Amino acid sequence: AQRVTQPEKLLSVFKGAPVELKCNYSYSGSPELFWYVQYSRQRLQLLLRHISRESIKGFTADLNKGETSFHLKKPFAQEEDSAMYYCALSNSGYALNFGKGTSLLVTP
Amino acid sequence: NAGVTQTPKFRVLKTGQSMTLLCAQDMNHEYMYWYRQDPGMGLRLIHYSVGEGTTAKGEVPDGYNVSRLKKQNFLLGLESAAPSQTSVYFCASSYQAGAQPQHFGDGTRLSIL
Repeated sequence: AQRVTQPEKLLSVFKGAPVELKCNYSYSGSPELFWYVQYSRQRLQLLLRHISRESIKGFTADLNKGETSFHLKKPFAQEEDSAMYYCALSNSGYALNFGKGTSLLVTP
Repeated sequence: NAGVTQTPKFRVLKTGQSMTLLCAQDMNHEYMYWYRQDPGMGLRLIHYSVGEGTTAKGEVPDGYNVSRLKKQNFLLGLESAAPSQTSVYFCASSYQAGAQPQHFGDGTRLSIL
């Protein structure tokens, strides 16, 4: 069975500190993984997908098949990064399987 | 280009009442989805559609029905609302399945008293 685990419900860091939001998955096939972000009072939006290997708003995420992880990282957190972050896995079918989310709070 | 539009944005119902949530997308996407978002639970898939005239059950389909009569619209119905259905409902669409990102609406906040 496929599963996405985000072990931290809440992560609080100071502005300028590095941040890592953890995501682990279980899936028997070749996973397609995403990070979605939801800022306060805004719609959920795509932040990153692993096939793109891009950096968005300073965030990066590397797929580690050996550790079955897709952690989201940023070297220097900004206050505007405060949001809810969801890791999601796409199965070979149609739907996304979301983790329960991590609320990131960046304090000055 | 509005993307994904959900109506209504807020609604309060009494237990046993029925209602329909409307989702409309103007991106000519084939795939549409309904999720519910609950604190500590993340987003859970209720139903989805892979094209006009098709629907399929997701993770938590009980108590909901859906219809996709037109490609651009995906309706979510609650026949007899229950307090356990109090949630924020999100509609999403995507061009294809798999690695294609999903585009989300603003959500509908539904309270069942």
